[in-house]
Amino acid sequence: AQSVTQLDSQVPVFEEAPVELRCNYSSSVSVYLFWYVQYPNQGLQLLLKYLSGSTLVESINGFEAEFNKSQTSFHLRKPSVHISDTAEYFCAVSDRGSSYKLIFGSGTRLLVRP
Amino acid sequence: EAGVTQFPSHSVIEKGQTVTLRCDPISGHDNLYWYRRVMGKEIKFLLHFVKESKQDESGMPNNRFLAERTGGTYSTLKVQPAELEDSGVYFCASSQDKGRDPYEQYFGPGTRLTVT
Repeated sequence: AQSVTQLDSQVPVFEEAPVELRCNYSSSVSVYLFWYVQYPNQGLQLLLKYLSGSTLVESINGFEAEFNKSQTSFHLRKPSVHISDTAEYFCAVSDRGSSYKLIFGSGTRLLVRP
Repeated sequence: EAGVTQFPSHSVIEKGQTVTLRCDPISGHDNLYWYRRVMGKEIKFLLHFVKESKQDESGMPNNRFLAERTGGTYSTLKVQPAELEDSGVYFCASSQDKGRDPYEQYFGPGTRLTVT
């Protein structure tokens, strides 16, 4: 069965510093990959996704993630974070043909300090 | 366009009582999912509806949980009787069956269930 590992439960970082949130999944079988974000007191929002094609995907607010099949990773990066990026970030995979149910990692809390 | 809504936002009940959670998906979305996050752990899949039919209920923890989706619209998740380990946040999500982004699931704000 698929599993997703987010090794860092919390990542503190100063404003305008770069950040990387790590995500590894268990299988090299074809999967769809996602990053979701949950801001305080809100629901989960899709940040970005990899379905096929270019291995580097970007979000509208400056985040990017790169699908690395050989390392079964989908790390999330941002070159310069803002206070407003403080949130919990979830990596998820979806097996093709499995009703597209999502399998989530345990989440990483990004805490951006001024 | 209204998003996915869930009711109630928070419920506190005693062990042994019954609770019913409701989810209203985005209009026109055939797929409806339930997920649960127990404190500090990962969000776990519970089940998936396509319209009114259960497509996959492999994540349902036991027979104290009953999910329904009347007429393929809103869905309810009943826990009867509730146990302490049922505490957590229950998320509902919906997605289109076809279209530009059939894989994108839109999540509701969640219902925080506390069993005491």
